[in-house]
Amino acid sequence: DADVTQTPRNRITKTGKRIMLECSQTKGHDRMYWYRQDPGLGLRLIYYSFDVKDINKGEISDGYSVSRQAQAKFSLSLESAIPNQTALYFCATSDSGTGSYEQYFGPGTRLTVT
Amino acid sequence: AQKITQTQPGMFVQEKEAVTLDCTYDTSDPSYGLFWYKQPSSGEMIFLIYQGSYDQQNATEGRYSLNFQKARKSANLVISASQLGDSAMYFCAMRVAGDYKLSFGAGTTVTVRA
Repeated sequence: DADVTQTPRNRITKTGKRIMLECSQTKGHDRMYWYRQDPGLGLRLIYYSFDVKDINKGEISDGYSVSRQAQAKFSLSLESAIPNQTALYFCATSDSGTGSYEQYFGPGTRLTVT
Repeated sequence: AQKITQTQPGMFVQEKEAVTLDCTYDTSDPSYGLFWYKQPSSGEMIFLIYQGSYDQQNATEGRYSLNFQKARKSANLVISASQLGDSAMYFCAMRVAGDYKLSFGAGTTVTVRA
């Protein structure tokens, strides 16, 4: 089974709708992240969480909100979706205790807003 | 702020030949880590190789090696003996000590020809 899972994997929604993307991990990592990928731009950080009670905005948080329901779960919400939020969204995790800089990515959620 | 530059938007390589993907970075922090990820057409982010700023030797992982030139702030990825399955987008990324996020370059698309 994958260590970092994302649901749904693909979603088409309409402008103005609220949508939630979910991320779960079994790695036992304390840190979780949401990134979005647009063509030609690489990945950009939306929100990150160091633990359940520590949530922070990233580079491009406008129009998004997050919830860290448990150490293993981190959800991203689009309160009122707009077409320029069409992108590939990635959840990632890391472990602050190991000293490793590596982040482990989920498979991605492809979101289309029409 | 950290910055990653990948100047090659796309490259073609003949099967069984080697290919070098360029990556330069900019940071004033002496402690950092450099990463390369592969993203096939299916979309997932696959970790390839890691180089720490204090590592004395260039990192290698199978057919992947990282040509780390610290003074030039470059971290080029070399893929030896290219295979058709190497066709993908490749991202260079960096994280500095004490920071929370990976900074990504825009990516290089590699197409391996038979």
